[in-house]
Amino acid sequence: AQSVAQPEDQVNVAEGNPLTVKCTYSVSGNPYLFWYVQYPNRGLQFLLKYITGDNLVKGSYGFEAEFNKSQTSFHLKKPSALVSDSALYFCAVRDRSGGYNKLIFGAGTRLAVHP
Amino acid sequence: DGGITQSPKYLFRKEGQNVTLSCEQNLNHDAMYWYRQDPGQGLRLIYYSQIVNDFQKGDIAEGYSVSREKKESFPLTVTSAQKNPTAFYLCASSIAQGGGNQPQHFGDGTRLSIL
Repeated sequence: AQSVAQPEDQVNVAEGNPLTVKCTYSVSGNPYLFWYVQYPNRGLQFLLKYITGDNLVKGSYGFEAEFNKSQTSFHLKKPSALVSDSALYFCAVRDRSGGYNKLIFGAGTRLAVHP
Repeated sequence: DGGITQSPKYLFRKEGQNVTLSCEQNLNHDAMYWYRQDPGQGLRLIYYSQIVNDFQKGDIAEGYSVSREKKESFPLTVTSAQKNPTAFYLCASSIAQGGGNQPQHFGDGTRLSIL
């Protein structure tokens, strides 16, 4: 079965420092991976995806993610964090079981950026 | 502007009552989804639909029902059989084609509470 794990409930980082939010996956076949962000009392916003090609994927708001097949990871990164990046981040993987495309989400990682 | 509209934003349910959450999209997407979000558990799939008049159960469909009579609309009914309905409910849509490589777009959710 497909699954995705976010090993950290919370990540704390100082403004201006680089940030990393971790995600590992378990899939059969080639993974389709996604990152989303959620602000309080709002829906999820799509940040970026990896389908195929370059292992470094660039997305919205200066975020990027690195796909690492040998480590089955898809960590989200940003070179310089902003206080406004504080939010809940979700990693997701495509699931094709039953012949339909769905997403399986991780439990989420809360990012807190301190001034 | 294209998007997904969920209503109401807040909803209260009495014991033994069925309530219906609305989800409307004007993105011309074929696929629509309902998720339940509980703290620390990420998103769990309730129901999904790839085309009009067709839908499938997700991981936690018990106590819920849906209909898909129009492409734009995918209402979710929380029945009295759902004993723990208090949660944040999110509706999403996506392009169905592409083998699951398209991101899902989310509404801003409905927060359901028990009176």
